[in-house]
Amino acid sequence: GIQVEQSPPDLILQEGANSTLRCNFSDSVNNLQWFHQNPWGQLINLFYIPSGTKQNGRLSATTVATERYSLLYISSSQTTDSGVYFCAVPLTISSGSARQLTFGSGTQLTVLP
Amino acid sequence: DGGITQSPKYLFRKEGQNVTLSCEQNLNHDAMYWYRQDPGQGLRLIYYSQIVNDFQKGDIAEGYSVSREKKESFPLTVTSAQKNPTAFYLCASSIDGTSGIPSTLSSYNEQFFGPGTRLTVL
Repeated sequence: GIQVEQSPPDLILQEGANSTLRCNFSDSVNNLQWFHQNPWGQLINLFYIPSGTKQNGRLSATTVATERYSLLYISSSQTTDSGVYFCAVPLTISSGSARQLTFGSGTQLTVLP
Repeated sequence: DGGITQSPKYLFRKEGQNVTLSCEQNLNHDAMYWYRQDPGQGLRLIYYSQIVNDFQKGDIAEGYSVSREKKESFPLTVTSAQKNPTAFYLCASSIDGTSGIPSTLSSYNEQFFGPGTRLTVL
């Protein structure tokens, strides 16, 4: 199956700093999702980004599907940005159109005040 | 409000007992999924369902069972056959059904998650 690798595994920042999280995947994909898992476990959708660049406030993401990677940028980080960031890519299930997500192991981000 | 609800938030089970985790959505989504998360790891798929009365095994289905009698509901039963059931369980849904919509259309394929259930076996 497809492999998804995220780096770095851990990241500690001072409030206000910028950061870049990376997601590499082993096979061609036609979409990709970024999530933020808060300390209570809730997975929050950040981006659905098959290709190109999207921005939402202080966050932006870029996916280069031909080179099999995606980047998540966090600017002017805040303590509320702390948590685990996951990327996930779908595996088309042969019997239909529902698509299992294959997750990376995540990047644990800690933003210090 | 539209969304996905899971109950209970915390669940404790004695060894040898079956327990059922609830997942309900009012988003009118066709597809629903159950994932398991172990500490420090990503999520792994247990079961998924594309439409009512249909479901398929994921990567780690052994020791679990599901039903899909209503579009809104996709309960997961953790049976006594599951050797290591202590984990965080997340339910998800997507519009994605069996209509053959191309996967590049985000509104049909984006998965949204419920708040999760933490299961602990005593």
